[in-house]
Amino acid sequence: QKEVEQNSGPLSVPEGAIASLNCTYSDRGSQSFFWYRQYSGKSPELIMSIYSNGDKEDGRFTAQLNKASQYVSLLIRDSQPSDSATYLCAVNRNEKLTFGTGTRLTIIP
Amino acid sequence: SAVISQKPSRDICQRGTSLTIQCQVDSQVTMMFWYRQQPGQSLTLIATANQGSEATYESGFVIDKFPISRPNLTFSTLTVSNMSPEDSSIYLCSVETGPQETQYFGPGTRLLVL
Repeated sequence: QKEVEQNSGPLSVPEGAIASLNCTYSDRGSQSFFWYRQYSGKSPELIMSIYSNGDKEDGRFTAQLNKASQYVSLLIRDSQPSDSATYLCAVNRNEKLTFGTGTRLTIIP
Repeated sequence: SAVISQKPSRDICQRGTSLTIQCQVDSQVTMMFWYRQQPGQSLTLIATANQGSEATYESGFVIDKFPISRPNLTFSTLTVSNMSPEDSSIYLCSVETGPQETQYFGPGTRLLVL
C-alpha cells in the first residue's frame, strides 16, 4: 500500500463546475496535510493546508480532512481553465512530507 | 512564504561528471529540503539539510552520490556526483517556514544527463 494515494486521472471537469480531488494516506500519525498545484514545467505551489478534522475554505478552494477515515480532499468551485494542472496531496509527519503521485485535472471550456 | 531561487535553472551534462545546484532563500530558515522529481512522477525526498549538522538522507540516497552543504541559514547546495542518464530529473529545494511547518518550493533545476 502506498503511503499517500491519489487517483492519477486525468480528471476532466467542465468550466464552472466543481472539481473534486481525493487523497488517502496510511500513516495515522500524520500531523498536517497539504495540497499543491503544479503546472507543467513548473515547481509545486502551495494551495491549501489543513491540520484538523473538518473543512477549510479559501476562496474557491475547500480542503476537507477526515482523520478517522485517513482521507483528505480538495474541492475547487467555479472551475476555471487556469485550474488545469496536476494537484499533489502531501502528508506531513515529523517535518517530513510524503507526496502522492498527483491527479491531473483538465478544465474543459 | 519565502522567495527561493535555484541555480542553474537547467543544465545538460555528460555522464561521469558532477553538478552542484545552489538554493538561496530570502530569509533565515532552519529546515531546507532537497527533492527529486523524475519525469512524469511525483516528488521524492532526497535529504533534509539543517544548518550546523550533517544532512539526513532518505532510504535509497547516499552522501557519496548526493553531497549536501548547508553553510548558513539562507543557503544550501546539492551535488549530483558521477552522473548517469538515470539522474536526469528535476531537482527541487524547499524550505519550511511559518508556525505550521509549511514547505515552499524553489523553481527547480532541470537536469539532463547524456
